[in-house]
Amino acid sequence: GQNIDQPTEMTATEGAIVQINCTYQTSGFNGLFWYQQHAGEAPTFLSYNVLDGLEEKGRFSSFLSRSKGYSYLLLKELQMKDSASYLCAVRDSNYQLIWGAGTKLIIKP
Amino acid sequence: NAGVTQTPKFRILKIGQSMTLQCAQDMNHNYMYWYRQDPGMGLKLIYYSVGAGITDKGEVPNGYNVSRSTTEDFPLRLELAAPSQTSVYFCASSYSTSGSGANVLTFGAGSRLTVL
Repeated sequence: GQNIDQPTEMTATEGAIVQINCTYQTSGFNGLFWYQQHAGEAPTFLSYNVLDGLEEKGRFSSFLSRSKGYSYLLLKELQMKDSASYLCAVRDSNYQLIWGAGTKLIIKP
Repeated sequence: NAGVTQTPKFRILKIGQSMTLQCAQDMNHNYMYWYRQDPGMGLKLIYYSVGAGITDKGEVPNGYNVSRSTTEDFPLRLELAAPSQTSVYFCASSYSTSGSGANVLTFGAGSRLTVL
């Protein structure tokens, strides 16, 4: 079966750095996505990786290793507004998105 | 530019009732999707459409129906509501799914449905 694993919940301190991991086993691979979802709101797109390596976008970076079936989302200089769930999703060989359950990130002052 | 508009935001149904969740997008996207999101679970695809007149089942289609008569609209119909359909429903759209580019989904604000 297809599976995406990410931690259920993480806690970090304002101003610090946090890394949210995602491991996947899917039927084929056509890209990995990270979305942010604030409580009670819709998911919004953060990043996309299709080749190995690091993609940087401001305070957020996303890394992919296709051989290891692994990605992480790195958030720097954490702000209170970063408190949200972070969803990892993989596009499989049929171009369907398989979603992880999400990681709830709690930022403490 | 409204993006993806979903209605209603909240609804309480009794077991056996039927209802339609409305979804409209104004971005001229070809692809539209309906997902449900349950606590502790990833988004599950109910139905999707690759264009007007074309729909297909996703991972969890039972108990639902869709239609796509126009590019803009993609309503989701619940027939004979059951407590298992209590969930948050998201409509989303994208330009395409295939190709090497990122196929970013734009989501509606969500519809919280409770079946009692």
